[in-house]
Amino acid sequence: DTEVTQTPKHLVMGMTNKKSLKCEQHMGHRAMYWYKQKAKKPPELMFVYSYEKLSINESVPSRFSPECPNSSLLNLHLHALQPEDSALYLCASSQSITGTGELFFGEGSRLTVL
Amino acid sequence: DAKTTQPNSMESNEEEPVHLPCNHSTISGTDYIHWYRQLPSQGPEYVIHGLTSNVNNRMASLAIAEDRKSSTLILHRATLRDAAVYYCILIVSGTYKYIFGTGTRLKVLA
Repeated sequence: DTEVTQTPKHLVMGMTNKKSLKCEQHMGHRAMYWYKQKAKKPPELMFVYSYEKLSINESVPSRFSPECPNSSLLNLHLHALQPEDSALYLCASSQSITGTGELFFGEGSRLTVL
Repeated sequence: DAKTTQPNSMESNEEEPVHLPCNHSTISGTDYIHWYRQLPSQGPEYVIHGLTSNVNNRMASLAIAEDRKSSTLILHRATLRDAAVYYCILIVSGTYKYIFGTGTRLKVLA
């Protein structure tokens, strides 16, 4: 199983809503990532978890709250988002603990904030 | 963080080789060079990576300049399915920082 599964595939939410994006992998990878991708732009790194601990936060606004409940799961909790937060949110995982391994990506969750 | 520079777009004819360049003049000695591609409506997909020596796999070849300030991804025979955005990435040594550059949109002509 070399898949990274993201749910939901599509999400529409209002600015006052609270929602969550979920990501799951069963490859035994110990590093998991969240990226944000706007249309026709490259993915932008948001967060990295290593061994279930937050390793990197690329100065992401606090309305995005990541959580890694176990080594297979990664969540992104969303609250009080703005319309400019509408984007494709990509989850990825890697086996390497040195950051040199291959990244495996999910297909993304497309978020629309009204 | 070290940055990469790629041409915005390239075109190739089907069945012909494609050379996709990437400049990374500020690369550090232990930074790895990765390439990913992203097909429409999909997440990025790993293609190849290397450190100093040229690398080959079933998808492509990676040629790394001797001074490591540039690299070239080589698709030996382009197919229509290779039409995608190709990203060259430097992995900051000792971190998990996979920072994507702007990428090259490859168009393959039948």
